[in-house]
Parts: sequence; C-alpha cells; structure tokens
Amino acid sequence: DIVMTQSPDSLAVSLGERATINCKSSQSVLSSSNKKNYFAWFQQKPGQPPKLLIRWASTRESGVPDRFSGSGSGTDFTLTISSLQAEDVAVYYCQQYYAAPITFGGGTKVEIK
Amino acid sequence: EVQLVESGGGLVQPGGSLRLSCAASGFTFSDYWMTWVRQAPGKGLEWVAIMNQDGSEIYYVDSVRGRFTISRDDAKNSVYLQMNSLRAEDTAVYHCVRGSGFILDYWGQGTLVTVSS
Repeated sequence: DIVMTQSPDSLAVSLGERATINCKSSQSVLSSSNKKNYFAWFQQKPGQPPKLLIRWASTRESGVPDRFSGSGSGTDFTLTISSLQAEDVAVYYCQQYYAAPITFGGGTKVEIK
Repeated sequence: EVQLVESGGGLVQPGGSLRLSCAASGFTFSDYWMTWVRQAPGKGLEWVAIMNQDGSEIYYVDSVRGRFTISRDDAKNSVYLQMNSLRAEDTAVYHCVRGSGFILDYWGQGTLVTVSS
C-alpha cells in the first residue's frame, strides 16, 4: 500500500499570510505512460464532507479560488494557500489515486493565528 | 447539481449487519465509478470500497474484504454497501463518493454507523 504522510499536523497562520502543507508518498505516484501525478488535495470544513480542491497534483477544480495551488511530482507534493482567508479554516487531506487501495494522508488542520 | 444522499446508518451490535444506500442525482449515474469512504469520529479519511461502471472492477481495503460488499443498481441510480460481521472499529461516518476513475470528485454528507453493545 502507498502510505501518505502529511506535515505539519496543524498550523496557525495570520489572515493574508501564506500557508504551506506538505505531503509525501511512500512510492512515486507519477505515471511513466502519461507523465501525470495521480494525486489530489481535499478540504474539509467542520460539519461538511470533504471537497476536492486539486487533482493531478496541480489542476484546480472549477470554482476553487486561485489562492490555492498545488505543486510537486513523484513522491513530494505541496498545497499552498497564498493569502489565507477566514473561510479557509479547515482540515486538508492529500490522497493518491495511483493504485488501490486509495490512501489519504492524516490531515493538516489550518487555523487562524 | 450533483447530489449523493446516504441512508441506512444506525446503531448495531458487534457481529451484526447493516446495509447502506446512496441515492444519486444530477448526473448520469451509469457513467461513473462509485466509492465508499469512511471517517471515524474525530479521525481522518479511510477509503473502503470502489466499483466501476459495470461491476467488473471492485476493490476493497484489506480491513473490510470478506465482510463488506459494494454493489450498484443503475436503474435506481443507487449504490449500496452491505456490511456484515461488524466490529467496533467500523464505527464511522460513511460517505458515498462519485468517482471519475479513482478521482473522488463529489461526496455525500454521510451516514453514521455505530457498532456498540
């Protein structure tokens, strides 16, 4: 199974400042055939189901603000919130969909400092 | 608008069974993979099972294989999760999720399953 390790477990950032979340997979999720990273980021706000933010490591879903960006390849990935807003308070999860079993990181809780 | 509405959760004793249902609307159900993902209270996400459009590809997480069965009825736009031999560690909110392949793009609110005596 591919193990996803997120860091940090939590972070507190001032409004308007940058938040950075890291995720590392235990093996590469980059396909040699299509050069795509089978990797996604989700946002889960309190009392709500997770919401897909980014697929293919860096492709934002429709309607997701451009302050959210994903980067990385192979085994190391980053979610950046360029200017934290109050509505971004949530838990963020990474996920690989390269192979079954689909696996998630443990989550990173983002709060306002 | 894509909607996924789960039902069937509740309190069950260890060793018991439950059948979860998920009613889908707002998209062509038969075009998509369907998945169940669970979340224990205060914990992270755990993928449980996934099924492709015609049922020819089905995968389970090791911890439920042999106890849980995913199925679908395209005529009813519904996906199901039959859960047998339930254990305390199966206690969680179970989310029904639409899949574009393994990309989990729309999630239902979930239904709570509590396994306790």
